[in-house]
Parts: sequence; C-alpha cells; structure tokens
Amino acid sequence: EAEVAQSPRYKITEKSQAVAFWCDPISGHATLYWYRQILGQGPELLVQFQDESVVDDSQLPKDRFSAERLKGVDSTLKIQPAELGDSAMYLCASSKATPRGYGYTFGSGTRLTVV
Amino acid sequence: GIQVEQSPPDLILQEGANSTLRCNFSDSVNNLQWFHQNPWGQLINLFYIPSGTKQNGRLSATTVATERYSLLYISSSQTTDSGVYFCAVEQGTSGSRLTFGEGTQLTVNP
Repeated sequence: EAEVAQSPRYKITEKSQAVAFWCDPISGHATLYWYRQILGQGPELLVQFQDESVVDDSQLPKDRFSAERLKGVDSTLKIQPAELGDSAMYLCASSKATPRGYGYTFGSGTRLTVV
Repeated sequence: GIQVEQSPPDLILQEGANSTLRCNFSDSVNNLQWFHQNPWGQLINLFYIPSGTKQNGRLSATTVATERYSLLYISSSQTTDSGVYFCAVEQGTSGSRLTFGEGTQLTVNP
C-alpha cells in the first residue's frame, strides 16, 4: 500500500536553532498538508499545497515557519528559530484532488523536541 | 469555525468488550474520517464516511449527516485497539482542511 514518507522520525533541537522536516506524498496526490499536533490534542492544519501552490497557510506562524513544495511533489517545512512551544508532532498528509472518496493519508510524523 | 466534539474522552475496556465512540459536529460537512493514532504517533485511516454505514472487520462506522453525528463501533476489542481515536471533518470544497476533534483515548486491558 502506498505511503506518505516523512523524515526525520525524531528531532531534538536547541531553542533558537533552525530545523527542517521533509515529506514525500503518495504518487499522484496533488494536495499536500502539514499538520501540527500538540500532545493531548488533535492535529491542526499549518499549510496546504495544491501542486506547488499554497492554498491555505492561515494558521502558519509566518514569522518563523516556512514551507515549500517547489516541483509539486515533495515538501519541506522549516522552523527558524525554534521555540520551546514548537515541541510537537509534525504530520504530513496527502490526498487526491479528485475523485473524492479516498480521504487523506498521513505519514508517520516527525516528533520535535525543543530544549 | 466548525466544532467537533468527541465522547467519551477516555475509555477503559477489558479485552473482548464492545464499545461505541461518538463524534458530534456543529455544521454540515462534505467529508468525515475516523482515524486511529497508534502509540508511535501515526494516524491510520479507518473510515472515510461522510454518510451511511461502513464495516471493516470488527470495526464499523455510521454517519448521520442530517443530525450531525457519527459513531464508531469496536466489537470484541483487542489490546492492539488501544490508542487515540480521532474524528475529523472537512467542509467546503474538495481538498479543504480537516478539522479534528480532541480524540478518545482507548485502553484495552488483557
């Protein structure tokens, strides 16, 4: 079964350092999402891409977070500088634009700890 | 924005027991999914169910869109069913964001 690939699996970084996460969606999935999940809560959308274009980044803290999907395939999410409150699970998901009925597929996530 | 409420927040079962998890949402939706988050953090898609009933082995789900709720049934629970179960809904056009509930933490004891 096709999977969404994410790396690294775990990341520990010091406050004020830069950190980056990578995601490779399922082949053929035009839509890619980055979600953040704080411990004990449900995931919340950070940014959504349709092909290489951002279609929703309303919840992305743009002063420190950036995301790109240059060729409309894999994507990178960056945090610079990292803050203690950024400690969370960062989940990537992808979905077909059409037809619907298959829902979203999530990757295994990157668990970030900022110390 | 839309509100998604799940109940109960925590559930402890003995192996072999049955359970029902509920998801209420505050507005009409185009998509509803149930996920299981395993201890390693991965969200596993259980059902894509904007309406109707689906079954997959010991799990089944029903969504009554007109009354804005969905139910997830787990029968003959196993220890491997432990984890957090999330309901997530999508409004608007195809491919819009998913809004998650707070989840139900399920613990199945041997």
